[in-house]
Amino acid sequence: NAGVTQTPKFRILKIGQSMTLQCTQDMNHNYMYWYRQDPGMGLKLIYYSVGAGITDKGEVPNGYNVSRSTTEDFPLRLELAAPSQTSVYFCASSYGTQGGNSPLHFGNGTRLTVT
Amino acid sequence: AQSVAQPEDQVNVAEGNPLTVKCTYSVSGNPYLFWYVQYPNRGLQFLLKYITGDNLVKGSYGFEAEFNKSQTSFHLKKPSALVSDSALYFCAVRDTGYSTLTFGKGTMLLVSP
Repeated sequence: NAGVTQTPKFRILKIGQSMTLQCTQDMNHNYMYWYRQDPGMGLKLIYYSVGAGITDKGEVPNGYNVSRSTTEDFPLRLELAAPSQTSVYFCASSYGTQGGNSPLHFGNGTRLTVT
Repeated sequence: AQSVAQPEDQVNVAEGNPLTVKCTYSVSGNPYLFWYVQYPNRGLQFLLKYITGDNLVKGSYGFEAEFNKSQTSFHLKKPSALVSDSALYFCAVRDTGYSTLTFGKGTMLLVSP
């Protein structure tokens, strides 16, 4: 049981480049989330999904896109990378809503640097 | 709106001593409160939660937290700290009517031998 798997672990992008951060979970969770973590700022929600085909914006969605074609996968797309997107990105999943009885399960993160 | 505050960026404690990591929250309805821990280069791990019921909640690794409605606090505690408890701790809250969590900025706990 792998849990939540994120790839790649590290990536350096040039300004204006694009990339997709991959996230997959094998726990059959219906809820999935993307967060970014910046030093001293805690976690900010970028996008989330309550099930396949359904996505919604979080607190900081600008510059990002997501899709959810399957229960298992929830990729995050950066179209035009900017230095402000330098961060550590975490994918998470849960069986129920974030505040319900099901805790979030996090991946180990992707460290992205945009130069 | 929902919000959570962790007033200390860092807490230092000697091994064997009790530890407290503070968290206060603001909601308009009833709060659902959580603590998560993050070890270096890892994702967050769930420690414990308060949904309803007993104000003292017990969680993983000997941690517990006390819900105090009048003080709008949910402090994390452990009777005897271990060096291995050194990590970044996050408090999170969800208000009734909201579908997502709000995380605090995190508190670094350093336990010295």
